[in-house]
Amino acid sequence: EVQLVESGGGLVKPGGSLRLSCAASGFTFSSSTMNWVRQAPGKGLEWVSSIRSSSSYIYYTDSVKGRFTISRDDAKNSLYLQMNSLRAEDTAVYYCARDGWIDYWGQGTLVTVSS
Amino acid sequence: DIQMTQSPSSLSASVGDRVTITCRASQGIRNDLGWYQQKPGKAPQRLIYAASTLHSGVPSRFSGSGSGTEFTLTISSLQPEDFATYYCLQHNSYPRTFGGGTKVDIK
Repeated sequence: EVQLVESGGGLVKPGGSLRLSCAASGFTFSSSTMNWVRQAPGKGLEWVSSIRSSSSYIYYTDSVKGRFTISRDDAKNSLYLQMNSLRAEDTAVYYCARDGWIDYWGQGTLVTVSS
Repeated sequence: DIQMTQSPSSLSASVGDRVTITCRASQGIRNDLGWYQQKPGKAPQRLIYAASTLHSGVPSRFSGSGSGTEFTLTISSLQPEDFATYYCLQHNSYPRTFGGGTKVDIK
C-alpha cells in the first residue's frame, strides 16, 4: 500500500524558512517522480514542484523559483521541500504526491505564514 | 504554460442525477489528463488517468472521455458520497496545471 506522510508544517513569520518532509513507503521510491502540491485555504490545487528519479530533472512553479528547493534522499525514502523567504501567499496545506501523473497523495501539512 | 479551464465552477444535483464536468486545455495535451475528487479536509484522490482509465477501486459510475483539448468527467448516477469538489490535472508538460475545480453539492 502506497503511504505518504508529510511533516514539518507550522507557523512562521514572513521572510522565515521551513523544511517540509515526506516519508514514503509501499513502493519503489527511488524510481518514482515525486511532487509537492499546495492548496491555500478555501482555494484550488496548485502544483509547486517535481523531482524525477535520481534528481535528474527538477521543476518549479514560477512563484517559488529561487525561494523553494525540492530534494530527495532515496536511502531514506524521503522527499523534502526547503522553503525560504516565505510570504503570506505561501500559506497553504502542502501535499506530497507520487508519480509524474500524480496518483497518490499524502494527508498534507499546513504551513501558515503570518506575523 | 498550459491553462486548464474547468466548468462549471459549481453545480447542484440530486442523488441519481447524471453529472458532467468539462475541462478545456489551452493547447493539445493528447490524453494526458487526470481527474480527482476532494472532500472537505481531505487529500484529493485520483478517479481517472489517461483521460478515460479508471483508477483502481473507483466505482464504475465514474467515467472520463476526451482527447486533445476537450475532456469530460461523467458521474452516471450521483451517490451521496459523491458530493465533493472535482479537479482536472494536465500531466502533458511542466508546469503541471490544475483546473479551477467544480464543487458538486446537494440540490
